[in-house]
Amino acid sequence: GAVVSQHPSWVICKSGTSVKIECRSLDFQATTMFWYRQFPKQSLMLMATSNEGSKATYEQGVEKDKFLINHASLTLSTLTVTSAHPEDSSFYICSARDPTTRAGELFFGEGSRLTVL
Amino acid sequence: AQSVSQHNHHVILSEAASLELGCNYSYGGTVNLFWYVQYPGQHLQLLLKYFSGDPLVKGIKGFEAEFIKSKFSFNLRKPSVQWSDTAEYFCAVTLSGAGSYQLTFGKGTKLSVIP
Repeated sequence: GAVVSQHPSWVICKSGTSVKIECRSLDFQATTMFWYRQFPKQSLMLMATSNEGSKATYEQGVEKDKFLINHASLTLSTLTVTSAHPEDSSFYICSARDPTTRAGELFFGEGSRLTVL
Repeated sequence: AQSVSQHNHHVILSEAASLELGCNYSYGGTVNLFWYVQYPGQHLQLLLKYFSGDPLVKGIKGFEAEFIKSKFSFNLRKPSVQWSDTAEYFCAVTLSGAGSYQLTFGKGTKLSVIP
């Protein structure tokens, strides 16, 4: 199947700093990417839909000024957690849609674990 | 909005035992259904999917799932589990139709298979 890669896989930062997480589709062009957040023992919660060349669509309750999403190319979307606080500590997962597959079939990155001290 | 419910948080089985993981969704319209698996230290990957047609779908590694529309269920089954099936399993649903790529996930079921 298609490959999606996230970087970094693990990051620790101080409270108040910003952290950028990259999501790349390695062997296909992804017009749409999705960012999820997963708390321990909880489901993956969709944060936002990232569309290449346009603004991201955020889910209700997700602060767009705090979680900046940029989808500047067909193979790269970035999530920047601005002014991070300990409550932002979580596992962030991106996924991408291969346009050649049917609706709903997504390919996932490895996830990025953020710990804010 | 649709939601997905997975009944078991953690299932522990011995090798060769049969497996059934429950999944129910709440949505009155037409949906596409998925099971994803996450092996330890790896990313989520698709196990099997249902779009239409035969409600009994077969996936990789001997897994299958049956869509029962009247029960809003899509349970995952495997006749005989192996130690290598130890992983977390997520049921997911998306609305059927063009442009419907947003997946709604259940909370996941952790499967531990004892050798």
